[in-house]
Amino acid sequence: NAGVTQTPKFQVLKTGQSMTLQCAQDMNHNSMYWYRQDPGMGLRLIYYSASEGTTDKGEVPNGYNVSRLNKREFSLRLESAAPSQTSVYFCASVGGGSRYNEQFFGPGTRLTVL
Amino acid sequence: GQQLNQSPQSMFIQEGEDVSMNCTSSSIFNTWLWYKQDPGEGPVLLIALYKAGELTSNGRLTAQFGITRKDSFLNISASIPSDVGIYFCAGRNAGNNRKLIWGLGTSLAVNP
Repeated sequence: NAGVTQTPKFQVLKTGQSMTLQCAQDMNHNSMYWYRQDPGMGLRLIYYSASEGTTDKGEVPNGYNVSRLNKREFSLRLESAAPSQTSVYFCASVGGGSRYNEQFFGPGTRLTVL
Repeated sequence: GQQLNQSPQSMFIQEGEDVSMNCTSSSIFNTWLWYKQDPGEGPVLLIALYKAGELTSNGRLTAQFGITRKDSFLNISASIPSDVGIYFCAGRNAGNNRKLIWGLGTSLAVNP
């Protein structure tokens, strides 16, 4: 049981390049989330998916798109990367039942945009 | 967006000391969560609280859901070097069905 996995672990892009960050979970969770973490800013929600087939904007969605490919996978796409998107990106998932708020995180993708 | 007021921002303590940190909110919460993040890793859930007044322990860690429902506390007893990291509080209020509101973290350093 791997939990939440993210690829790649590290990435360097040039301004204007595009890329997709991948996230998968094997816990049969319904909800999945994408956060970015910057020094002194804590965790900020980019997008989330309450269930397969649905996505909603979070606090900082501009410059990003997401796809909930199936119940397991939730990808984050940067269409035209900017230096302001240099950050650490975390994916998380949430189960249901009595633990309906407990988010489980992946190890992160460290992205640098030059 | 709304954020929680988490304090202190950082702590530097001696091994063996007890640690206390807290989070406060301007609105009523129905869930409080405490996470720890080690360098280069994702946050890991330590304790979840779902009821006002609830006191829950996880080893040397104890967290409480404040009775006003606007605050929560985390205590670490007899700290050890592996307690080093950033501790985050997070909570959910009635208006955010799927989203958590996060504190900015307490950075803990332990001097062996």
